[in-house]
Amino acid sequence: GQNIDQPTEMTATEGAIVQINCTYQTSGFNGLFWYQQHAGEAPTFLSYNVLDGLEEKGRFSSFLSRSKGYSYLLLKELQMKDSASYLCAVTYGGSQGNLIFGKGTKLSVKP
Amino acid sequence: DAMVIQNPRYQVTQFGKPVTLSCSQTLNHNVMYWYQQKSSQAPKLLFHYYDKDFNNEADTPDNFQSRRPNTSFCFLDIRSPGLGDAAMYLCATPREPGANVLTFGAGSRLTVL
Repeated sequence: GQNIDQPTEMTATEGAIVQINCTYQTSGFNGLFWYQQHAGEAPTFLSYNVLDGLEEKGRFSSFLSRSKGYSYLLLKELQMKDSASYLCAVTYGGSQGNLIFGKGTKLSVKP
Repeated sequence: DAMVIQNPRYQVTQFGKPVTLSCSQTLNHNVMYWYQQKSSQAPKLLFHYYDKDFNNEADTPDNFQSRRPNTSFCFLDIRSPGLGDAAMYLCATPREPGANVLTFGAGSRLTVL
C-alpha cells in the first residue's frame, strides 16, 4: 500500500526559515512532489525530486532520501503569502503514474 | 503550460439529485485526472484517462462516473450525491506531454443539501 505522513500544522514567523517533513512508504516509487495549496484553491506545483539530494528553487528547496523514504521542503525568508497548505505527493507506476497525496501541512506565517 | 478550466466553480445540489462537473484542457493532452478533496484532507484520485482508456480507482464508488467525449473535454457525473460527497473536485492534466508534474484546474466545489 501507499502511505504518506506529514505534520498537520506548523506556525512560523515572517522572515524565518521553516522545514516541513514528509515520510512515505510506497511501492514502485517514481518521484516526490511538493505542491502549495491556498485555502479554497487548486494545488500549484512547487518542486519535484526523483534523485537523492537537494533541489533549490529561489526561496524554496526540497530534499529527498529514497533509502529513508524521507523528504523535506525548506522555505526561507518567509512571507505572509506563504501561509498555505503544503502537500507532499509521490508518483508511482510508470512515466505518467498516478499521484498519491499526503494530507498536507497547514503553515501559518505570523508577523 | 496546459490550461485546465473547470465549470462550475461552485455547485449546490440536493441530496440524490444528479450533478455533472466539466473540465476542459488546452494542448490536447492525452492524460486527464479527476481528484476528490474533502475539507482538510488529501486530494484522492477517483479516475484517470489515458486517451480513451478509462482507469477507475478500486475504491471509487459506483456513484461516480466519467465521460470523455473528446481529448479536450472530460466530465464527472455524480449520479446520486450524498452528504458525504460534498468536496472540491479537481481536474488535472500533465503540465507538458509526458511530464509527471500536473497542472490542476481551479476546482469545482460541491455542496450537497
